[in-house]
Amino acid sequence: GNSVTQMEGPVTLSEEAFLTINCTYTATGYPSLFWYVQYPGEGLQLLLKATKADDKGSNKGFEATYRKETTSFHLEKGSVQVSDSAVYFCALTFRGDSSYKLIFGSGTRLLVRP
Amino acid sequence: EPEVTQTPSHQVTQMGQEVILRCVPISNHLYFYWYRQILGQKVEFLVSFYNNEISEKSEIFDDQFSVERPDGSNFTLKIRSTKLEDSAMYFCASSERKEGRYEQYFGPGTRLTVT
Repeated sequence: GNSVTQMEGPVTLSEEAFLTINCTYTATGYPSLFWYVQYPGEGLQLLLKATKADDKGSNKGFEATYRKETTSFHLEKGSVQVSDSAVYFCALTFRGDSSYKLIFGSGTRLLVRP
Repeated sequence: EPEVTQTPSHQVTQMGQEVILRCVPISNHLYFYWYRQILGQKVEFLVSFYNNEISEKSEIFDDQFSVERPDGSNFTLKIRSTKLEDSAMYFCASSERKEGRYEQYFGPGTRLTVT
């Protein structure tokens, strides 16, 4: 079946460190890929997306590239800030799916220390 | 910026009671969803709704669950007879799904505690 696997957290970094959160997927077709972020006490916010192979999604200094050959969509940021502390979810959906439901990974908590 | 809202933010209920979770999707969106997240686990799809009917539901969404869009703005999830294992955070989401814009926008969630 279709699934998303994320690296276990928590990930603890110092401010200005480089961030990578790994995400790989298993899918029967060619999904669209997303990263959502959940700040403490808030709902899920779309961070970035990519809809086809080699697309790069980017927003707020975060980037992720859709790699079909490795079935991956790793999230990166060059210099994290304390305000980036949150839980990050990788997710996929299929545009041919009748409902476009999202399939999520288990989430990775990021803690950035000053 | 338009946003999805959910009420209540926290609901405590006794096992066997009925609960209704409410959501107000973004006004021009036509596709609506419920997801849930049991503490420490993945966010799981429950149901999608379009044109006043369910378009897809998961195995979790059994006969105890129902959804409704009673008027032009609200979208509700009803659990008829709650069980302990229904304790979770429930998220509502909506999507425009027009001209390639099919991202889902989520509400802040309702934390349901069944005692």
